[in-house]
Amino acid sequence: GQQLNQSPQSMFIQEGEDVSMNCTSSSIFNTWLWYKQEPGEGPVLLIALYKAGELTSNGRLTAQFGITRKDSFLNISASIPSDVGIYFCAGQLTSGTYKYIFGTGTRLKVLA
Amino acid sequence: GAGVSQSPSNKVTEKGKDVELRCDPISGHTALYWYRQSLGQGLEFLIYFQGNSAPDKSGLPSDRFSAERTGGSVSTLTIQRTQQEDSAVYLCASSSRDGAYEQYFGPGTRLTVT
Repeated sequence: GQQLNQSPQSMFIQEGEDVSMNCTSSSIFNTWLWYKQEPGEGPVLLIALYKAGELTSNGRLTAQFGITRKDSFLNISASIPSDVGIYFCAGQLTSGTYKYIFGTGTRLKVLA
Repeated sequence: GAGVSQSPSNKVTEKGKDVELRCDPISGHTALYWYRQSLGQGLEFLIYFQGNSAPDKSGLPSDRFSAERTGGSVSTLTIQRTQQEDSAVYLCASSSRDGAYEQYFGPGTRLTVT
């Protein structure tokens, strides 16, 4: 099925460092969602974006809806060990359905 | 309020057997989705229900897979004649039409076909 291009695939960072990841597509989306998934659990919604150019924060997390509507970015500032997990983006197509396309995930590991 | 719940949390079955996976969405949510996640992979869309509309079954990988949603609430995903490649985590999500269509996921059912 369709998937968004998400990068990087994985990251190993030191505690306290900032993290950036992004999703890109050739399709236009009208909503972007960012999720975090920990082992053995379902994805948990972190941030939702609804307008091109929108910048939204949730604590140390900041996400942006790309101006072209084809991409989105997630930044995590001052990472901590509990940030470990897999981060997924999801885009809702403008085709009039409620279907979301998911990114391939970014696996984040934080070294204390 | 309660989130999305799924049962069983784990299911081990023999190749060729049928399995049923259950999803209870958040109360009042009109949309319900099923996804499959293979080990270390992203989420693969399977099927989507919205209110009384015909479901979007475009993601079902074969005719061995089917799903129904009774009374606009609980959903059951059925896999007939299971194969080893069906082993994965099956995730259910629901969303509300009121507002932003944000999807909320359940914890998933880990299916292992031996």
